[in-house]
Amino acid sequence: GAVVSQHPSWVICKSGTSVKIECRSLDFQATTMFWYRQFPKQSLMLMATSNEGSKATYEQGVEKDKFLINHASLTLSTLTVTSAHPEDSSFYICSARAHVGDRGLGQYFGPGTRLTVT
Amino acid sequence: AQKVTQAQTEISVVEKEDVTLDCVYETRDTTYYLFWYKQPPSGELVFLIRRNSFDEQNEISGRYSWNFQKSTSSFNFTITASQVVDSAVYFCALSERGGADGLTFGKGTHLIIQP
Repeated sequence: GAVVSQHPSWVICKSGTSVKIECRSLDFQATTMFWYRQFPKQSLMLMATSNEGSKATYEQGVEKDKFLINHASLTLSTLTVTSAHPEDSSFYICSARAHVGDRGLGQYFGPGTRLTVT
Repeated sequence: AQKVTQAQTEISVVEKEDVTLDCVYETRDTTYYLFWYKQPPSGELVFLIRRNSFDEQNEISGRYSWNFQKSTSSFNFTITASQVVDSAVYFCALSERGGADGLTFGKGTHLIIQP
């Protein structure tokens, strides 16, 4: 149980285009999802917190107009990187926190999406 | 603001040696969770342990053990009789507000187990 998927697992896009990454909780409902970014050989940095049905909360220094987050249902959150540039190339990882019970104490990570902007 | 420090950037040991990965955290919150994750080259995070701030009991799981000491704000991770498959980057992380917040990660420790 507590499986989180991400799609796509990797994507290459041209500079100036937009890319959408999906994060799905497969066997539980996630009221809250988190998006992280990890540059090569660095740690994970929290980008934003999204709660189902409300606007995402972005961490300091993260451009909300560039990284659009939508959490339209209890099992799906999307991250859209708009007008991507090479410096946006990174590993993007989502995590989902369950609604009730013991699962509410854990955050379950997706496998990540590797974005390369050429 | 919360902070997690993993002072050891890289550790290299020979197989079968014991190795301890250090983690020191800072938080003003009284209810928080601490985590350890393993990240192999594939990139996918592997959950190892979660510990809440009220539970200072040490934990052992096979060759893995964790020592949580609130007095020194440390949550260290020991691998006994290390194996080549243990080679990976290990992250310590903290979540405040009883685990409701996103995780703050340390910079990670790259563990290399040589055969």
